[in-house]
Amino acid sequence: GQNIDQPTEMTATEGAIVQINCTYQTSGFNGLFWYQQHAGEAPTFLSYNVLDGLEEKGRFSSFLSRSKGYSYLLLKELQMKDSASYLCAVISDKLIFGTGTRLQVFP
Amino acid sequence: EAQVTQNPRYLITVTGKKLTVTCSQNMNHEYMSWYRQDPGLGLRQIYYSMNVEVTDKGDVPEGYKVSRKEKRNFPLILESPSPNQTSLYFCASRGQGAVLDEQYFGPGTRLTVT
Repeated sequence: GQNIDQPTEMTATEGAIVQINCTYQTSGFNGLFWYQQHAGEAPTFLSYNVLDGLEEKGRFSSFLSRSKGYSYLLLKELQMKDSASYLCAVISDKLIFGTGTRLQVFP
Repeated sequence: EAQVTQNPRYLITVTGKKLTVTCSQNMNHEYMSWYRQDPGLGLRQIYYSMNVEVTDKGDVPEGYKVSRKEKRNFPLILESPSPNQTSLYFCASRGQGAVLDEQYFGPGTRLTVT
């Protein structure tokens, strides 16, 4: 079967750093995406990883370990507007989404 | 501006009344797909299309139909909607150049079937 696991909810404080983990078990692997989704809105692309290691993009970084079936999204200098759901998605023979992690940032 | 548009954005209908949700993209993308999103279940693919006149079932196709007569349009048809099809629907598109091409999502259609 194909399975992607993420924590359901996380909370953090403005200005802090938060790490959102994603583990996956899929029949194949061609890459991993992270999307941000504000309530009631469309997902928007944040990052993707194909090879092992860290990809940095401003305040957001994403890490991948293919041997461990593991990725994380790191958000630095948290802002209130970062309160959203974060979706991990794996490309095997198709794009498979996790159920998302709802992040709440408090002042 | 590159975008995927969907209409309507909100729809309340009754069981059994046929409806169509339109989807259009202006990026000349070959690949288009429909998802539904439900609490606790994440985004699940309903149907996808690799190109004009080529469509295929996703993970949850029952109760839905699609067509791809033109490259830019990919309508979702519910012939006889039922309450379990109440959901948030997203259309998406991407280029066929690489599997890792970014997927663009439409703004979503919130459908309620009573």
